[in-house]
Amino acid sequence: EPEVTQTPSHQVTQMGQEVILRCVPISNHLYFYWYRQILGQKVEFLVSFYNNEISEKSEIFDDQFSVERPDGSNFTLKIRSTKLEDSAMYFCASSEAAGVGEQYFGPGTRLTVT
Amino acid sequence: QKEVEQNSGPLSVPEGAIASLNCTYSDRGSQSFFWYRQYSGKSPELIMSIYSNGDKEDGRFTAQLNKASQYVSLLIRDSQPSDSATYLCAVERNGNQFYFGTGTSLTVIP
Repeated sequence: EPEVTQTPSHQVTQMGQEVILRCVPISNHLYFYWYRQILGQKVEFLVSFYNNEISEKSEIFDDQFSVERPDGSNFTLKIRSTKLEDSAMYFCASSEAAGVGEQYFGPGTRLTVT
Repeated sequence: QKEVEQNSGPLSVPEGAIASLNCTYSDRGSQSFFWYRQYSGKSPELIMSIYSNGDKEDGRFTAQLNKASQYVSLLIRDSQPSDSATYLCAVERNGNQFYFGTGTSLTVIP
């Protein structure tokens, strides 16, 4: 069964450093998403991406965040200058269709900022 | 007002009973609604989607949607210990933006 994959599973970085989280969505899916979940809190929408551009973004997705689809399979989230409060689980998801499309989540990357 | 609200629980039911999980949402324009299950330390796993008013059944799971009341629910029949998890309600907004509730923790007691 096709699945979304994410690397790395755990990333430790120092405050102020840049990190890139990687995702490989399900191959026939066209819509891609990033979410974060701070420990013990709810899953929060960051951004949706379609046709090589951002479709929607939340208030959380400020200038320190960016997304890219560098090739036909990868989808990346870059955090430019990490802060302590960026420590969270970051989930990538993909769907065949927008809005009504069912999203399938990857296993997540745990980001720890020290 | 929160976009999506769920009773955080914990909800405990005996094995074999029906578990009822509820969710309300604030945006009347939302068209798509999803239930996810999340085990501790794992990613959300899609259980069901629902788009029209009424009931939608899939095995032991039934989702119910009432757009007039802005209410979504999930019923789990014949609850099993393996159903013990946190259940997340997710609601679409603006076509491609999604909001999750805080989740309801369910424990099924053998």
